[in-house]
Amino acid sequence: EDKVVQSPLSLVVHEGDTVTLNCSYEVTNFRSLLWYKQEKKAPTFLFMLTSSGIEKKSGRLSSILDKKELFSILNITATQTGDSAVYLCAAYSGAGSYQLTFGKGTKLSVIP
Amino acid sequence: GAVVSQHPSWVICKSGTSVKIECRSLDFQATTMFWYRQFPKQSLMLMATSNEGSKATYEQGVEKDKFLINHASLTLSTLTVTSAHPEDSSFYICSAPIGGTDTQYFGPGTRLTVL
Repeated sequence: EDKVVQSPLSLVVHEGDTVTLNCSYEVTNFRSLLWYKQEKKAPTFLFMLTSSGIEKKSGRLSSILDKKELFSILNITATQTGDSAVYLCAAYSGAGSYQLTFGKGTKLSVIP
Repeated sequence: GAVVSQHPSWVICKSGTSVKIECRSLDFQATTMFWYRQFPKQSLMLMATSNEGSKATYEQGVEKDKFLINHASLTLSTLTVTSAHPEDSSFYICSAPIGGTDTQYFGPGTRLTVL
């Protein structure tokens, strides 16, 4: 059974801290991994990672994939209160399938 | 980025009635769309895969006669919750991958409350 595991499940940090969120996966015929940010509504797309070792970066957020060790990390530097959200990791499996397997998410709380 | 819309954004209905939720891809065509349900403080749970021009594929434990899915066109999928019960109250979210890519966008979600 395909599985995506995120850690930690929740995290509280102060503004300005740097955080690393973890995502490990076990999926058949892995194709790519996606990160989403979910605040009060539906998830918003952050990154899609397909190749190992290539960092994707957007402002203070960055992510990288390790296909050998089957994990990905999402880094957020200089955190702000607006970064408070649930961060979801999801993986595609199987050739031609667009069905995502989601982790349970990491709830990040950034306090002033 | 690509936009997926849902309508309505929230709905309150009486027990026993049916509710239709629409999911539209606004600037791309989607032969496949996904419907998820999310309960408070839980992750997304895939309910079904909506396929344009063919029947939807339901996940185990999801009643296909209760959650009717119609993928009428390349930009529209609808989910109808029939004979709604209070336990159907949840946040329903659709998603669509952009054709030919793995980039998948979510709609803003529909919050359903059944009284």
